[in-house]
Amino acid sequence: AQSVAQPEDQVNVAEGNPLTVKCTYSVSGNPYLFWYVQYPNRGLQFLLKYITGDNLVKGSYGFEAEFNKSQTSFHLKKPSALVSDSALYFCAVRAPMFSGGYNKLIFGAGTRLAVHP
Amino acid sequence: DAMVIQNPRYQVTQFGKPVTLSCSQTLNHNVMYWYQQKSSQAPKLLFHYYDKDFNNEADTPDNFQSRRPNTSFCFLDIRSPGLGDAAMYLCATSAQSGTMSFGAGTRLSVL
Repeated sequence: AQSVAQPEDQVNVAEGNPLTVKCTYSVSGNPYLFWYVQYPNRGLQFLLKYITGDNLVKGSYGFEAEFNKSQTSFHLKKPSALVSDSALYFCAVRAPMFSGGYNKLIFGAGTRLAVHP
Repeated sequence: DAMVIQNPRYQVTQFGKPVTLSCSQTLNHNVMYWYQQKSSQAPKLLFHYYDKDFNNEADTPDNFQSRRPNTSFCFLDIRSPGLGDAAMYLCATSAQSGTMSFGAGTRLSVL
């Protein structure tokens, strides 16, 4: 069965420092992996995805994620954190083999990122 | 801009009083989803439409129903809301690329 684990409930980072939000996955077949961000009382915003190709994926707002097949990880990173990056981050994996754009996502429990001035 | 729009943003209902949440999209995506999200937890898929085909998740309570009268609109009906149904309800659509677009959500309170 497909699953996603985000081992940290919260990550605290000082502004200007690099940040990492961890995600590991379990999936049969090739993984389709996503990161979404959620600000308070808002819906989820797409950050980036990995489907195939380069293991380092660049996304919105300066975020990137590194796909590591041997470690089954897809950690989200940013070289220099901003206070405005403070939000709830969800890693997700797509359940396989649905056609026509049906895209059932299985979400991790979420990690709250707090960036301090 | 093309987007997914949910109305209202905040909805208050009474215990047992039916309530309907609405979602519209200008993306012309053929798949629409409803997720329930409680208190900073992971969103939980309730059901989805692939065009007009309705697909219910196995653990979605019968209290939750959905309608999709056309490509652009999708409704979530809660027939008899209980206190445990208070949550954020997220509508989403997806394209052939597989990327999902989410609405801003409707926060439902049950008194």
